[in-house]
Amino acid sequence: DAEITQSPRHKITETGRQVTLACHQTWNHNNMFWYRQDLGHGLRLIHYSYGVQDTNKGEVSDGYSVSRSNTEDLPLTLESAASSQTSVYFCASSVIAGPNTDTQYFGPGTRLTVL
Amino acid sequence: AQKITQTQPGMFVQEKEAVTLDCTYDTSDQSYGLFWYKQPSSGEMIFLIYQGSYDEQNATEGRYSLNFQKARKSANLVISASQLGDSAMYFCAMREPVYLTPQGGSEKLVFGKGTKLTVNP
Repeated sequence: DAEITQSPRHKITETGRQVTLACHQTWNHNNMFWYRQDLGHGLRLIHYSYGVQDTNKGEVSDGYSVSRSNTEDLPLTLESAASSQTSVYFCASSVIAGPNTDTQYFGPGTRLTVL
Repeated sequence: AQKITQTQPGMFVQEKEAVTLDCTYDTSDQSYGLFWYKQPSSGEMIFLIYQGSYDEQNATEGRYSLNFQKARKSANLVISASQLGDSAMYFCAMREPVYLTPQGGSEKLVFGKGTKLTVNP
């Protein structure tokens, strides 16, 4: 079955280290998204991509970067991890194929702790 | 700018009763979509229901229905016959207007802060 996976599911790192969170989907969706979820803020968009070689900044992009070299993967990199980036990170994907077919489907999430 | 407001941080309901979770939105766009997602304690985000701004009828999916009142800019989720497994966080989200890109179509979601629903036995 097609799916969207994230790895690792849990990560503890130290301030200043570079961290990369993986997102892989097998639906062949063009659109992919990264969100972070924090108490009191719901989900906030970090970066998104509408296709290979396309990346865009979201609401809270500072300190994060993404690259899209193929349809299936959108890795999220924290260049120099900060304690403020301790959060749960969700990847999502979607495709526009007509009315009522643009639903975003989410991965299981990655819990990142920056010490 | 778009905004989603969920005014109920927490809600309680008795098993087998119906419950309404409120969501209001603010947009100047004519074309938009509204979504509800469920997040159980295990953490995954589960799509529940979708309503398009031009849809004339309220969306329904099993025990879930969306009470769409366009003039009031509200998109409340109604869960009928609540079950213990419905206990979870519920998020309302709005999609920006879809526009075409070289790769196809595009959209972004803006989420509310969520409502925690507790179903009591």
